[in-house]
Amino acid sequence: QVQLVQSGAELRKPGDSVTVSCKTSGYIFTNHYVHWVRQAPGQGFEWMGIVKPSQGTTRYTPNLQGRVTMTWDTTTSTVYMELGSLRSEDTAVYYCARESAFEGKEFDYWGQGTLLTVSS
Amino acid sequence: SYELTQSPSVSVSPGQTARITCSGDKLGDKYVCWYQQKPGRSPVLVMYQDSKRPSGIPARFSGSNSGNTATLTISGTQAVDEADYYCQAWDRIAVFGGGTKLTVL
Repeated sequence: QVQLVQSGAELRKPGDSVTVSCKTSGYIFTNHYVHWVRQAPGQGFEWMGIVKPSQGTTRYTPNLQGRVTMTWDTTTSTVYMELGSLRSEDTAVYYCARESAFEGKEFDYWGQGTLLTVSS
Repeated sequence: SYELTQSPSVSVSPGQTARITCSGDKLGDKYVCWYQQKPGRSPVLVMYQDSKRPSGIPARFSGSNSGNTATLTISGTQAVDEADYYCQAWDRIAVFGGGTKLTVL
């Protein structure tokens, strides 16, 4: 079965950086794009960016351009999201999500989420 | 930037029909999907391409999208359906509605 398993909770100070991993399984890694989405406490969702392993490309939301880097390792079917220059507003649960094969590009499978707390 | 607007809350009695709406400029020209999220859990896709149900989603869930409004309808609402529901569409980036808390009284 399809699974996306993320790394554990992180605590960072303002100005630090963090890397969250998302190990996928149960499908051919290069057949689907993977997205990162975050959810601040009690808030809605913010799309962060997309990883396209089959094309070797990434695209990020303009709001985070310059602070976020997404990479992947095809040999382990793992996607990584690095966020730098952390600020308190980055405190959120970070999710990786697989893009479906449907025309609407929905997110059909999600990781369990990784809580990032940014606090001095 | 593109925005999707949802009512913050909807309440229904068990067995009634719940309608959760999502509005956006010319939303009917885009595909809309819906996610269900229960407290402390990851979102679950419950509707895609406006009106298609993923495998495993009960038939009481249905969807529509026309004009400026998309609607997720839950017929014969059950207590297990109590959750937050988010609509989502694409406008260069993935855009989410603010979420609707469905309470089953």
